[in-house]
Amino acid sequence: NAGVTQTPKFRILKIGQSMTLQCAQDMNHNYMYWYRQDPGMGLKLIYYSVGAGITDKGEVPNGYNVSRSTTEDFPLRLELAAPSQTSVYFCASSYGDRDTEAFFGQGTRLTVV
Amino acid sequence: LAKTTQPISMDSYEGQEVNITCSHNNIATNDYITWYQQFPSQGPRFIIQGYKTKVTNEVASLFIPADRKSSTLSLPRVSLSDTAVYYCLVGDKAAGNKLTFGGGTRVLVKP
Repeated sequence: NAGVTQTPKFRILKIGQSMTLQCAQDMNHNYMYWYRQDPGMGLKLIYYSVGAGITDKGEVPNGYNVSRSTTEDFPLRLELAAPSQTSVYFCASSYGDRDTEAFFGQGTRLTVV
Repeated sequence: LAKTTQPISMDSYEGQEVNITCSHNNIATNDYITWYQQFPSQGPRFIIQGYKTKVTNEVASLFIPADRKSSTLSLPRVSLSDTAVYYCLVGDKAAGNKLTFGGGTRVLVKP
């Protein structure tokens, strides 16, 4: 099993550009999450999904969009990138039962200039 | 979701035991307590989870008093490689399993 795979690992965007961060998991997990982590800070939840076709906002959803057309994939879309979106983005997945063990990807380091 | 409070940072030395206490005064009946570890430039990694009393695995122990308003993660005989940020999470499936992270505790293990 590959676990949670994020692509790309690094990206530099210009202000106003758009991009999609990819996340895929091969553990048949129902729940998937997107977080951002600014330097020296904790993780902030952007969006999460409890299953294919179902998504919901987290703490900091503005400037982002998600979709969940399959169980495996949970892409994060940035429209009109801004310097404030410079961060490390982590995708995670879990079964979503009473246990809350989540598995995280290696992250995507995004810089908006 | 129950809010958690942890110390911002802790220093220790190799071979010592490190105890990190997390307060969660408004924990709900169905909530579990989960701890994650995060190394620099990596995603968080699950360490341990518990509901009440004591849980132990190969990495750590988790102590939860009867009132469940706090919990303590215990790392026995730490090494330099245990330097990381440790997060305490409290949550339940009924809450949508949002997995909300707080600021965590930055543990620095010195030689």
